[in-house]
Amino acid sequence: AQSVAQPEDQVNVAEGNPLTVKCTYSVSGNPYLFWYVQYPNRGLQFLLKYITGDNLVKGSYGFEAEFNKSQTSFHLKKPSALVSDSALYFCAVRPPINNAGNMLTFGGGTRLMVKP
Amino acid sequence: EAQVTQNPRYLITVTGKKLTVTCSQNMNHEYMSWYRQDPGLGLRQIYYSMNVEVTDKGDVPEGYKVSRKEKRNFPLILESPSPNQTSLYFCASSLSVRSRETQYFGPGTRLLVL
Repeated sequence: AQSVAQPEDQVNVAEGNPLTVKCTYSVSGNPYLFWYVQYPNRGLQFLLKYITGDNLVKGSYGFEAEFNKSQTSFHLKKPSALVSDSALYFCAVRPPINNAGNMLTFGGGTRLMVKP
Repeated sequence: EAQVTQNPRYLITVTGKKLTVTCSQNMNHEYMSWYRQDPGLGLRQIYYSMNVEVTDKGDVPEGYKVSRKEKRNFPLILESPSPNQTSLYFCASSLSVRSRETQYFGPGTRLLVL
């Protein structure tokens, strides 16, 4: 069974500094990886996904994520954080062959706090 | 506008009183799913549906029912709610069940069972 770990409950960064939100995964075969963001009182919004190809994936709002197969990681990054980036971030994984319909396994979430 | 809608957004109820949370999508998606979100546990899948009249259990189906009579609607039914079902619920949809497809989420329904 696949699993996702987000080792940090909260990440604090100062506005303008680079940010990283960590994610590691465990899945059989080559994974499909996703990042979602949840703003207060809102549903999850899709940020980006890795399916195949370039290990550096660019997504919405200036975010990017780097797929590292040897480290089984898919860390979310942004070169310069904004206060408005403060939200809850979820990493998710899906196996490449999905017969059961269980589409996504989520990590526990990381709260990003960007301070002015 | 392409979207997934849920109603109600907030609900307070008492143990044992049947309730239904509706979910509707306007994107002609085949796949729909319900999740619950609890602190530190991320999102866990309750039920999913690969198409009309096709539903199956996810990771935490106990205490829940679903139906998929039409493609656009996927209601979540709690026949006899209990306090451990207090949670934030999300409906999601996707074009198909293929792994590479992105899921789109509704705004969430916050449920409190007293």
